[in-house]
Amino acid sequence: NAGVTQTPKFRILKIGQSMTLQCTQDMNHNYMYWYRQDPGMGLKLIYYSVGAGITDKGEVPNGYNVSRSTTEDFPLRLELAAPSQTSVYFCASSVSGSSAGELFFGEGSRLTVL
Amino acid sequence: GQQVMQIPQYQHVQEGEDFTTYCNSSTTLSNIQWYKQRPGGHPVFLIQLVKSGEVKKQKRLTFQFGEAKKNSSLHITATQTTDVGTYFCAGGNSGYALNFGKGTSLLVTP
Repeated sequence: NAGVTQTPKFRILKIGQSMTLQCTQDMNHNYMYWYRQDPGMGLKLIYYSVGAGITDKGEVPNGYNVSRSTTEDFPLRLELAAPSQTSVYFCASSVSGSSAGELFFGEGSRLTVL
Repeated sequence: GQQVMQIPQYQHVQEGEDFTTYCNSSTTLSNIQWYKQRPGGHPVFLIQLVKSGEVKKQKRLTFQFGEAKKNSSLHITATQTTDVGTYFCAGGNSGYALNFGKGTSLLVTP
């Protein structure tokens, strides 16, 4: 079982460039999430989705966009990359919402913006 | 909004010593989850607590959920070098997503 797969694992961007972080899960989970992790700052929610076609903002959505056209895929788009977006990004999925059980995380995508 | 505070930020122990990390929420939680992240890795689910006053054990790990469902703790007895990593609590409420604490980084020296 692959679980949650993220690509790329590492990426360096120049200021102003755009890119998409890919996330796919094969567990048929309805709920998917994007978190960013900065050193010593824990995990902050960027966007989440409760099912195909439905997305909503989390705590730190500015500078990012998402889409959820299928149950499996939840890509995160960075437009006009800024140094403040240098971080490790984790995609996660769960069967149901926050009160219903564990999050399954991908291995992370480390992004550096120079 | 809901905030989840976690202390201490760092803990350095000798192998065999005990370790405890504490988690406090500004609001009542419906549940609390604990995750472990090894250096360079991704968070991995450890446990979920949902009942007031609940205590759960996993081998050397003991998890507690406070009576008011606003605080929680993770206690490790007789730490081993394999316990190294960052431990996160994450609070759930009526919303869809968990709120993570900043984590406690545990270093264990042999």
